[in-house]
Amino acid sequence: AQSVTQLDSQVPVFEEAPVELRCNYSSSVSVYLFWYVQYPNQGLQLLLKYLSGSTLVKGINGFEAEFNKSQTSFHLRKPSVHISDTAEYFCAVTSDNAGKSTFGDGTTLTVKP
Amino acid sequence: GAVVSQHPSRVICKSGTSVKIECRSLDFQATTMFWYRQFPKQSLMLMATSNEGSKATYEQGVEKDKFLINHASLTLSTLTVTSAHPEDSSFYICSAAKRAEEDTQYFGPGTRLTVL
Repeated sequence: AQSVTQLDSQVPVFEEAPVELRCNYSSSVSVYLFWYVQYPNQGLQLLLKYLSGSTLVKGINGFEAEFNKSQTSFHLRKPSVHISDTAEYFCAVTSDNAGKSTFGDGTTLTVKP
Repeated sequence: GAVVSQHPSRVICKSGTSVKIECRSLDFQATTMFWYRQFPKQSLMLMATSNEGSKATYEQGVEKDKFLINHASLTLSTLTVTSAHPEDSSFYICSAAKRAEEDTQYFGPGTRLTVL
């Protein structure tokens, strides 16, 4: 069984400030990790993914995430956010022998001017 | 690219009617498609996994006779909500995985279903 915990349900930040959205997972097998962004009334857009290799993963829109196996974490970061980054962010895990993803409950990022 | 479309984007229907939602991979062949539903301000709940030419695998608690899934080709999967009731109102999202990249899902824009 696999699970994902997004530690913050809401994260308000000011424009141009750095942000970190936290994600912890649990799984009994090797996993792939993903971050998605969802704008209102839209589907999910892939921000970045970790499959293997370098633990620091860079994605679109200036986001990056670091896989930490010992802490079973995959936190998402951006050094300077924009108003347009306001959205819902989902962390997801897929085990390599099941193909199905489990999603966290989401984190609402609100960027204020 | 990896573009997934859904049709319709919004649908309103009367209680007791059936509604079909289409999910298409526009520029790739999808070995697997997934159907999710999402309630307001909540996460995605996987309903079923479908592979082309075979029966869908439903998650526990999802009624397969109510949510009919057909994966007729490598680019099209359909979800039919039969005898819809107001509690079926939700945001339905599909995703598709490419051959040789099965670890990554590409999501459609979603379909907002409202049952009156």
